[in-house]
Amino acid sequence: KAGVTQTPRYLIKTRGQQVTLSCSPISGHRSVSWYQQTPGQGLQFLFEYFSETQRNKGNFPGRFSGRQFSNSRSEMNVSTLELGDSALYLCASSLVPGSNTEAFFGQGTRLTVV
Amino acid sequence: GESVGLHLPTLSVQEGDNSIINCAYSNSASDYFIWYKQESGKGPQFIIDIRSNMDKRQGQRVTVLLNKTVKHLSLQIAATQPGDSAVYFCAEKIAGGTSYGKLTFGQGTILTVHP
Repeated sequence: KAGVTQTPRYLIKTRGQQVTLSCSPISGHRSVSWYQQTPGQGLQFLFEYFSETQRNKGNFPGRFSGRQFSNSRSEMNVSTLELGDSALYLCASSLVPGSNTEAFFGQGTRLTVV
Repeated sequence: GESVGLHLPTLSVQEGDNSIINCAYSNSASDYFIWYKQESGKGPQFIIDIRSNMDKRQGQRVTVLLNKTVKHLSLQIAATQPGDSAVYFCAEKIAGGTSYGKLTFGQGTILTVHP
């Protein structure tokens, strides 16, 4: 079965713009989490969605937001982009949150802010 | 100012050797642990997991050891191959409660396997 799909793979944006990234989880998986990966901070948790509701949020400013649709697909949005938002944004899906089940990652979206 | 990159630990081994990658986790309440492998340009790939009620789990060529007393995880790779070269991350999770599915990642270890 298909894995986690993230689109687009690469994106270049200008400071001040906003961006929307998309994630389609593995079929049957209902939990989607987002992570930011940078050389300086490593992999950091952004937020998690389950049943169209944000269940948990990391320590990121309000410019970072997300949502989940009824088919479990998720989007994250970053407004008023800053140079420091350049990163690999990763989406992970799992069957349900809060359980001892593995999370599977997509290939990520490489965002470059210029 | 400029951000300083993480200085990841590195491990260099010869093909065929066994590799041991270590990880100290942060939260004594964590009860589920995962090892991921990340190759350049790709997302993290699940390798093996272990629950806190276990101290050892084996997979194909990989073994994870958990020492809750000192909050330490290790990943052992047997007969390491050049294709094992990657960055390896440990991740911890607290099942249930308000943490839901949040994974907290270690900084990662760069494994280089020489033919």
